[in-house]
Amino acid sequence: KAGVTQTPRYLIKTRGQQVTLSCSPISGHRSVSWYQQTPGQGLQFLFEYFSETQRNKGNFPGRFSGRQFSNSRSEMNVSTLELGDSALYLCASKGTPGNTEAFFGQGTRLTVV
Amino acid sequence: KNEVEQSPQNLTAQEGEFITINCSYSVGISALHWLQQHPGGGIVSLFMLSSGKKKHGRLIATINIQEKHSSLHITASHPRDSAVYICAVLQGGSEKLVFGKGTKLTVNP
Repeated sequence: KAGVTQTPRYLIKTRGQQVTLSCSPISGHRSVSWYQQTPGQGLQFLFEYFSETQRNKGNFPGRFSGRQFSNSRSEMNVSTLELGDSALYLCASKGTPGNTEAFFGQGTRLTVV
Repeated sequence: KNEVEQSPQNLTAQEGEFITINCSYSVGISALHWLQQHPGGGIVSLFMLSSGKKKHGRLIATINIQEKHSSLHITASHPRDSAVYICAVLQGGSEKLVFGKGTKLTVNP
């Protein structure tokens, strides 16, 4: 069974640009969550999708958005990039929401210059 | 104060030593995860606990719901165990994982 796949693995963008990251969950999993990891703040929850609906959102500005497609693949978008958006972005998939094990991808390392 | 506190922040051990990493939390939870992160970023889920104790190979995780505390133990530590270990709690009634800052473990040969 293939694991959680995130693309791209590395990305360099310029301030003011926008970026789209992709996450393909484990086959059969319908819940996808996104997290941001920075040296200063550690891991922080961004949002969670289940069956194409956003169920939860963390404390991030509106520049951070996401969506989920009918095949459960999810994308997150960051517009008007700032230097502080440089981070490792991780996604995790679960079979169903709730008290179930989460499986993480390798992450996308975004550098904003 | 963070909702999830881990100790120690950094830990250096000699190969073969018994390792304990602690996690305390202040919110109601439905589950607690122990995660391992190697350099390069990928995260592996080691355990998910809602009560009691789980064992997988040389790793043991325990949780005390009343005391809001969990421990991760590594027996007979090995240099390949060197990684950052992260405690994360799933808040009750929410899908939001709240993470500790992590414990960086270095096991020297």
